[in-house]
Amino acid sequence: EVQLLESGGGLVQPGGSLRLSCATSGFTFSNYAMTWVRQAPGKGLEWVSGISGSGDNTHYTDSVRGRFTISRDSSTNTLYLQMNSLRAEDTAVYYCAKDLRLITPGVFDCWGQGTLVTVSS
Amino acid sequence: ETVMTQSPATLSVSPGERATLSCRASQSVAYNLAWYQMKPGQAPRLLISGAYARATGIPDRFRGSGSGTDFTLTISSLQSEDFAVYYCQQYNHWPRTFGQGTRVEIK
Repeated sequence: EVQLLESGGGLVQPGGSLRLSCATSGFTFSNYAMTWVRQAPGKGLEWVSGISGSGDNTHYTDSVRGRFTISRDSSTNTLYLQMNSLRAEDTAVYYCAKDLRLITPGVFDCWGQGTLVTVSS
Repeated sequence: ETVMTQSPATLSVSPGERATLSCRASQSVAYNLAWYQMKPGQAPRLLISGAYARATGIPDRFRGSGSGTDFTLTISSLQSEDFAVYYCQQYNHWPRTFGQGTRVEIK
């Protein structure tokens, strides 16, 4: 059974940093691209960042490029999102998701339960 | 970026009736369109990818159609567990983008 478990969320001040983790199990981690998607309070889903199965290719939405860094560790089957220079508008539940495909993130067939990030002073 | 527009925002349907949800892309996404279902307090669930291919375990009352810029998700006979918010999402262009969602509620 595929399992994804996010952690690392919490309350942080504007300009601060957080690192989200997504521990995975039940599938061959390096065979699938992975993605982070967020949902701000009362809003819809927003794709944030994706990474290929090898980790060689990364993609970001414009609003986080240069502030967030996605990475993965195949030795521990863990996906990460390093978030720097956080803003109030980054407040959201952050979901990690497994892709159907290896190279180009696009279709998210399994999701974690999410971790809440709150950016506020 | 590719803007995805879903309509209607809210759909009121009686159990057993058909629901038709629309999704329009601001530019062609070919067949690279997915649909997700989301219930309160739960993670999204993939329903459809490639515009019409049901994901594993998805019942056949869920049908996706369309290509290019216009897509439809049809739920042929609504069950109690189908009342939820539905999102379309394109994966033809960067960044990947979601529609704003259609809430399907009990009439």
